[in-house]
Amino acid sequence: QVQLQESGPGLVKPSETLSLNCIISGASINSYYWSWMRQSPGKALEWIGYMFHSGNTKYSASLKSRVSISVDTSNNQLSLKLNSVTAADTAVYYCARGYYDSSGYWGYAFDIWGQGTMVTVSS
Amino acid sequence: QSALTQPASVSGSPGQSITISCTGTSSDVGGYDLVSWYQHHSGKSTKLIIYDVTKRPSGVSNRFSAFKSGNTASLTISGVKTEDEADYFCCSYGGSDTLWVFGGGTKLTVL
Repeated sequence: QVQLQESGPGLVKPSETLSLNCIISGASINSYYWSWMRQSPGKALEWIGYMFHSGNTKYSASLKSRVSISVDTSNNQLSLKLNSVTAADTAVYYCARGYYDSSGYWGYAFDIWGQGTMVTVSS
Repeated sequence: QSALTQPASVSGSPGQSITISCTGTSSDVGGYDLVSWYQHHSGKSTKLIIYDVTKRPSGVSNRFSAFKSGNTASLTISGVKTEDEADYFCCSYGGSDTLWVFGGGTKLTVL
């Protein structure tokens, strides 16, 4: 059973860097693509970026100047860093696995999600 | 890019069919056959129930179906059960800048 578990500091001060991890169990991080999303209070989910198993990354145009996604293959872990945070970055952050089926089809969907971790930006 | 528009809530009695709409633009929903739908029970992980507009992943009940017409996608749950009470949100490919855009979510209440 594939499971994703996000973890992070919970509270980050304005202008600092938000760092989150996503521990992946039951699947190899090298075999899929992985994304980060977030949901601010009262708003729709927002896609942040993804990392393909090859190492290629793509970020949302609105966040790409402040965000980076990386993987730690030895620990099967995905990471997110978002710098220069403001109150607008307060959200529940989710990691998710990109869809890939047994026929070799890569889909534009996410079949496994973590439960999310709340991050509040406040002094 | 703006979020996709969904009704905040829908309701139905057990056994009925309900439909949830998801409206975007020609730059997302209308432009690509890459709409997905998700089910989220409070306190639990999110589940993919539809991808590529109409396809169900392995293991998803055939009570869930979906289609798209123009800039609006729709999810139908046939024979609603109490266990279907959850939040449902849609997602669409949104082009090379945003890649994915999401709907605000719809809360399904089974009366």
